[in-house]
Amino acid sequence: DAGITQSPRYKITETGRQVTLMCHQTWSHSYMFWYRQDLGHGLRLIYYSAAADITDKGEVPDGYVVSRSKTENFPLTLESATRSQTSVYFCASSETGIWDQPQHFGDGTRLSIL
Amino acid sequence: QKEVEQNSGPLSVPEGAIASLNCTYSDRGSQSFFWYRQYSGKSPELIMSIYSNGDKEDGRFTAQLNKASQYVSLLIRDSQPSDSATYLCAVNYPETSGSRLTFGEGTQLTVNP
Repeated sequence: DAGITQSPRYKITETGRQVTLMCHQTWSHSYMFWYRQDLGHGLRLIYYSAAADITDKGEVPDGYVVSRSKTENFPLTLESATRSQTSVYFCASSETGIWDQPQHFGDGTRLSIL
Repeated sequence: QKEVEQNSGPLSVPEGAIASLNCTYSDRGSQSFFWYRQYSGKSPELIMSIYSNGDKEDGRFTAQLNKASQYVSLLIRDSQPSDSATYLCAVNYPETSGSRLTFGEGTQLTVNP
């Protein structure tokens, strides 16, 4: 049971570079989410997706782009990375959009932007 | 702005004691509440969910919900050093689409042998 996997686990890049974080789930969950976690802010939602080709902004979407062409994949792209985007990024999924559904998290990507 | 507040930490308890973690939320319409455990350097892991007023027990963990007071808590009985982690409270706000959750900042728990 692979569940939800993120890649890479660690990434170092420079300001201005484009970087894509990958998220893949094997549960066929409808909903997928991207969060960033920073000290003092907790988990903040960047983008989420209700199904293939349906995405919507979360709390902190600026500087990020997402796509979801297949149900199982939900990549997050930083088009021009900035130092303020140094963070730990978590992908999560939930089976449906019903209010009682918990979210299940991947192992995270630790991103450092120099 | 939907808010979820957790009691400030860090919280330190001796092994075998009861650890009490508290969370308040701002929207009376909230319907589902979750507790996640996050070990240092790891991802959040779901440990409890609660939807109705009252207590819900699962092993050494008890979640308590009081919707009138907009309060949810997690009790850990017979605390073990392996319980040392950050505990995140998450609340679903029904007017937001899908199963979106708002997370508190977490309470760091240390259980001392």
